[in-house]
Amino acid sequence: GENVGLHLPTLSVQEGDNSIINCAYSNSASDYFIWYKQESGKGPQFIIDIRSNMDKRQGQRVTVLLNKTVKHLSLQIAATQPGDSAVYFCAETPNTGGFKTIFGAGTRLFVKA
Amino acid sequence: DSGVTQTPKHLITATGQRVTLRCSPRSGDLSVYWYQQSLDQGLQFLIQYYNGEERAKGNILERFSAQQFPDLHSELNLSSLELGDSALYFCASSVDFGLANYGYTFGSGTRLTVV
Repeated sequence: GENVGLHLPTLSVQEGDNSIINCAYSNSASDYFIWYKQESGKGPQFIIDIRSNMDKRQGQRVTVLLNKTVKHLSLQIAATQPGDSAVYFCAETPNTGGFKTIFGAGTRLFVKA
Repeated sequence: DSGVTQTPKHLITATGQRVTLRCSPRSGDLSVYWYQQSLDQGLQFLIQYYNGEERAKGNILERFSAQQFPDLHSELNLSSLELGDSALYFCASSVDFGLANYGYTFGSGTRLTVV
């Protein structure tokens, strides 16, 4: 069935290093992908998105890579900062509608000072 | 502040009781989504409303119901509460009914504890 998951439930990085968070999806009909950041006590916050007609998109210190061949999504955070500590979710939306967005379980990122 | 307002932030109630969670979407957004997030679990889609009408249902229990009012705020009603209903309940809003072109805007959630 449709499934979005994460390879690593937790990730610990040193401040200043780059972080890579991975996500696998199984629905080849997915058209739109989003990474969300959820800090403790807050709701998920949109970070960056990418459509299926792209394989890379860059934001401020973040880059999302999409590999449709292997149905893999990754979030790269450059020069990770303590404020980046949070749970990161990937989400996929099939081209049949936004309400079918499926969220992964999340990866917790710890940034060591 | 995301623009999506959820109240209350915390709720503690006993088993068997009924509670109502409230959500005001971001200005201009017509769609409201409710999600449940249990400990160490991902976001589970419950239900979506668009401009006052129910549009989609996910894994929502029969004990749960929701509605969206003419002013577009939404309420999620949880009844006959069980210990397992303890979770974070998030409301999210978006502009479009179809593909959420800009993703969802989430509220800060309501933490429900059933004792």
